[in-house]
Amino acid sequence: NAGVTQTPKFRVLKTGQSMTLLCAQDMNHEYMYWYRQDPGMGLRLIHYSVGEGTTAKGEVPDGYNVSRLKKQNFLLGLESAAPSQTSVYFCASSSSTDTQYFGPGTRLTVL
Amino acid sequence: DQQVKQNSPSLSVQEGRISILNCDYTNSMFDYFLWYKKYPAEGPTFLISISSIKDKNEDGRFTVFLNKSAKHLSLHIVPSQPGDSAVYFCAAHSGTYKYIFGTGTRLKVLA
Repeated sequence: NAGVTQTPKFRVLKTGQSMTLLCAQDMNHEYMYWYRQDPGMGLRLIHYSVGEGTTAKGEVPDGYNVSRLKKQNFLLGLESAAPSQTSVYFCASSSSTDTQYFGPGTRLTVL
Repeated sequence: DQQVKQNSPSLSVQEGRISILNCDYTNSMFDYFLWYKKYPAEGPTFLISISSIKDKNEDGRFTVFLNKSAKHLSLHIVPSQPGDSAVYFCAAHSGTYKYIFGTGTRLKVLA
């Protein structure tokens, strides 16, 4: 039982490049989330999903897109990366509005 | 506008003593509150939660107190141990999937 896994762990992009972050969970959770963590800002919700095939915007959705084609996977895409998107990205999942289980994070640097 | 605030960025406590971490919120619609613990290079892990219908919840060495009239919650750790050294985030939601996190307090327990 791996819980929540994230791929990749680290990535460096140049401005304008695109990439996709993959989140996978093996707990059969309905709800999945993408957050970013920046110094002094805490965790901010980017997008979330309440079930397979659904997505919704969080606090800071601009510049990101998401897809939930399979219940166990939640993808976060950056179409044209900007330096302001340098951050640590965390994926989480939950079975209700209770406890969220987090992945280990992806450290992204945009030059 | 920061709806969940942790005004102390850091706290140092001697081993064996009590650690008190504080969190204030502004949104009176929040009805569920959680504390997460985060070690470096790992994702946050759930610690303890409290519903707005309660004013106290206890789990071993960890107790969370909620004062709804003051819009304030606190996490007490007794006795504090060196392994408790981490960043602690409080979070809140209003029955939806949009969790709002505070900026975190770094706790250092001195041996």
